[in-house]
Amino acid sequence: QVQLQESGPGLVKPSQTLSLTCTVSGGSISSGSDYWSWIRQPAGKGLEWIGHIYTLGSTDYNPSLKSRVTIPVDTSKNQFSLRLSSVTAADTAMYYCARGRNTGYDGFDIWGQGTMVTVSS
Amino acid sequence: DIVMTQSPDSLAVSLGERATINCKSSQSVLYSSNKKNYLAWYQQKPGQPPKLLIYWASTRESGVPDRFSGSGSGTDFTLTISSLQAEDVAVYYCQQYFITPYTFGQGTKLEIK
Repeated sequence: QVQLQESGPGLVKPSQTLSLTCTVSGGSISSGSDYWSWIRQPAGKGLEWIGHIYTLGSTDYNPSLKSRVTIPVDTSKNQFSLRLSSVTAADTAMYYCARGRNTGYDGFDIWGQGTMVTVSS
Repeated sequence: DIVMTQSPDSLAVSLGERATINCKSSQSVLYSSNKKNYLAWYQQKPGQPPKLLIYWASTRESGVPDRFSGSGSGTDFTLTISSLQAEDVAVYYCQQYFITPYTFGQGTKLEIK
């Protein structure tokens, strides 16, 4: 059974780069037709899709964040990551990684537990 | 971006009664070539990640109780809980995956009356 686990610093200073990693266990990140997404949720608020990575490292990003986001993949470690540059307090949120099953067309069926990131000096 | 608007924002229903949550998209999420609606529903309980309930607007995810059902097409969708149980207290979100950026509704908080 596939499981996802986020990891990374819980506190990031303004203007720095937020870096998180999602480790995939119980399955291969490079097999099949699944898409691998990052989604965030400010406390008490709704969900925002950040972007995803899929076949051979292709990516799509939310235009609202596109200039600041990259989602690299490390297939040897079965991990994908989130890099968000020039962070501000508005980037404070719970960050989730999630699997978009069947190229995303079956919804996000597996989620990590999430990791809280606070942007503060 | 496709804007997803849910109604109501909050809802209180008695145990055993029906709960209905609506979701409207700013443009159709029905793909004409396969007649499928690219719409999912999630349940989120406090301190937990969202859980997939429904995809393709009406297909129940494996393991989801059959009291949960989804309906609708085009721009108007509904999540129905036929007989509310205590464990259904949560925030519910709709999400479109017709086009990126994928977008979610603002959420509907479901409580027990």
